[in-house]
Amino acid sequence: AQKVTQAQTEISVVEKEDVTLDCVYETRDTTYYLFWYKQPPSGELVFLIRRNSFDEQNEISGRYSWNFQKSTSSFNFTITASQVVDSAVYFCALRANQGGKLIFGQGTELSVKP
Amino acid sequence: GAGVSQTPSNKVTEKGKYVELRCDPISGHTALYWYRQSLGQGPEFLIYFQGTGAADDSGLPNDRFFAVRPEGSVSTLKIQRTERGDSAVYLCASSLRTGEAFFGQGTRLTVV
Repeated sequence: AQKVTQAQTEISVVEKEDVTLDCVYETRDTTYYLFWYKQPPSGELVFLIRRNSFDEQNEISGRYSWNFQKSTSSFNFTITASQVVDSAVYFCALRANQGGKLIFGQGTELSVKP
Repeated sequence: GAGVSQTPSNKVTEKGKYVELRCDPISGHTALYWYRQSLGQGPEFLIYFQGTGAADDSGLPNDRFFAVRPEGSVSTLKIQRTERGDSAVYLCASSLRTGEAFFGQGTRLTVV
């Protein structure tokens, strides 16, 4: 069975703080893809990153960074120096093969206060 | 078009009625997905098309739900005999065959 768990339902930080959103996944497939999406109050899901199961290199994009660890089945997302515009619900998702359905976690609602 | 377009953006219907939700994918995207999102939850997979055919419809909750994509572009999600429990935001996404999915703004369905 495939499953994605985002244990943090809500996180509240003050602007400029760093924040890490946790994601733990379960799958029996050896090839899979992991994703993070952002859902701002407008409702549209915005793609942030895709990683495949063979690439454990961490990735940094501006203030965003991702830490993929197969040993712990985790794909955590860190926002450095958070800003009010980062306030949104963030979803981690798993896809078991090259095409096909995404399995989403429950989401983490991030609130960044000025 | 520039992005995935879903119409209508909001739909209110009475219990027992039939509804159709439309999705216009990004031009050239062969894969199209329907998801349903309830308040406070992550999107839940319904059905996935590759071209005109449904490659995976395992997420459709029952036979009241049906989706088509007759020409491999626009898709319509059809719900018969709607129930109050069908109320949710219905999301459509499209992608190239192996790429990341791009989502539309969703249709908020309310069954009263």
